[in-house]
Amino acid sequence: AQSVAQPEDQVNVAEGNPLTVKCTYSVSGNPYLFWYVQYPNRGLQFLLKYITGDNLVKGSYGFEAEFNKSQTSFHLKKPSALVSDSALYFCAVRDRNYGGSQGNLIFGKGTKLSVKP
Amino acid sequence: DSGVTQTPKHLITATGQRVTLRCSPRSGDLSVYWYQQSLDQGLQFLIQYYNGEERAKGNILERFSAQQFPDLHSELNLSSLELGDSALYFCASSSLSGQNSGNTIYFGEGSWLTVV
Repeated sequence: AQSVAQPEDQVNVAEGNPLTVKCTYSVSGNPYLFWYVQYPNRGLQFLLKYITGDNLVKGSYGFEAEFNKSQTSFHLKKPSALVSDSALYFCAVRDRNYGGSQGNLIFGKGTKLSVKP
Repeated sequence: DSGVTQTPKHLITATGQRVTLRCSPRSGDLSVYWYQQSLDQGLQFLIQYYNGEERAKGNILERFSAQQFPDLHSELNLSSLELGDSALYFCASSSLSGQNSGNTIYFGEGSWLTVV
């Protein structure tokens, strides 16, 4: 079965510092990996995805993520954090026609990012 | 704005009642997904429809059902509600069936359900 793990419940960063939100995955075959962000009382917003190609994927709001096949990781990064980046971040893997399920997302538990001024 | 529209945004109802949540997917998207977000269970996939047909089923209770109509909007019906059904229910849509594809799934703002 496919799964996603976000080992940190919360990440605290000072504004202007680089940030990393960790994600590891377990899939059979090649993974499709996604990052979403949820601001308070809002829906999930798509940030970026890895399908194939370059291991470094660039997304919205200056975020990027690095796919590492050997470490089965897909960590979210940003060179300089903003207070407005404070939100809940979810990593997800695409369920690839496993046991009849086709294409829905399997989410990690989420990581709360807190950026302090 | 993702283009996925959900109504109502907030709903308070009593135990034992039945509610219907409505979703309009992004223009042109044929796949609709329903997810439940709760504090203890996180984000759980409930069910997926593609062009009117059920395509995948996740952790959806028998008290819950969904359908997708010819105009592609979808409804999630929750019946015999219990306190534990209180959650944020998301609808999402994508342009393809999702089978072995990397197309993005876009989420609505969600419907907050409180069962009292």
